[in-house]
Amino acid sequence: GQQLNQSPQSMFIQEGEDVSMNCTSSSIFNTWLWYKQDPGEGPVLLIALYKAGELTSNGRLTAQFGITRKDSFLNISASIPSDVGIYFCAGQLFTGNQFYFGTGTSLTVIP
Amino acid sequence: GAVVSQHPSWVICKSGTSVKIECRSLDFQATTMFWYRQFPKQSLMLMATSNEGSKATYEQGVEKDKFLINHASLTLSTLTVTSAHPEDSSFYICSARVATSGPTDTQYFGPGTRLTVL
Repeated sequence: GQQLNQSPQSMFIQEGEDVSMNCTSSSIFNTWLWYKQDPGEGPVLLIALYKAGELTSNGRLTAQFGITRKDSFLNISASIPSDVGIYFCAGQLFTGNQFYFGTGTSLTVIP
Repeated sequence: GAVVSQHPSWVICKSGTSVKIECRSLDFQATTMFWYRQFPKQSLMLMATSNEGSKATYEQGVEKDKFLINHASLTLSTLTVTSAHPEDSSFYICSARVATSGPTDTQYFGPGTRLTVL
């Protein structure tokens, strides 16, 4: 299957700091999705991106669909303790309907 | 957003028994649902794609006779783990694909089912 490399693997930050994580692939994707997963729960959709160059915000979260269609990034501004969790990117190829998931970024926010 | 439910949320069973997990789309119809497996601190691993009214498509390495998938209606897909063994213990998550006429494909996840096989 497709390999999506997500970085960083983990982050430990102080409350109030901004966070940036990204996802890269060797393939060109049609759609990028960003999810957050809390322990023992299913992933929750944060942001969906459908056009190259698209920049979309959801509250303190901002995500962008890379111009090359091979990458995407997610920013979280002014982090708070409830931002703690694992963030996954997911990409969909132009062919097929399944999504391929990144390796995840574990975020810890220190109060 | 669209709501997907899963039942049961957790199950403990004896080795050799079969376990059925249900995945339902509550407020929309889903022609396609996906079944994932997730090990601790790892990403989601796609097991199979479930299409309503047809056979599921399994990923390489996933035994179709062990993980039976049925997508009998537009709102329900089931995963049955047959003759479960301790190595089948994992977190199983389903998702439902939402597609519109435009290029706005996305998927929503259920809350997951924690399976423990003794």
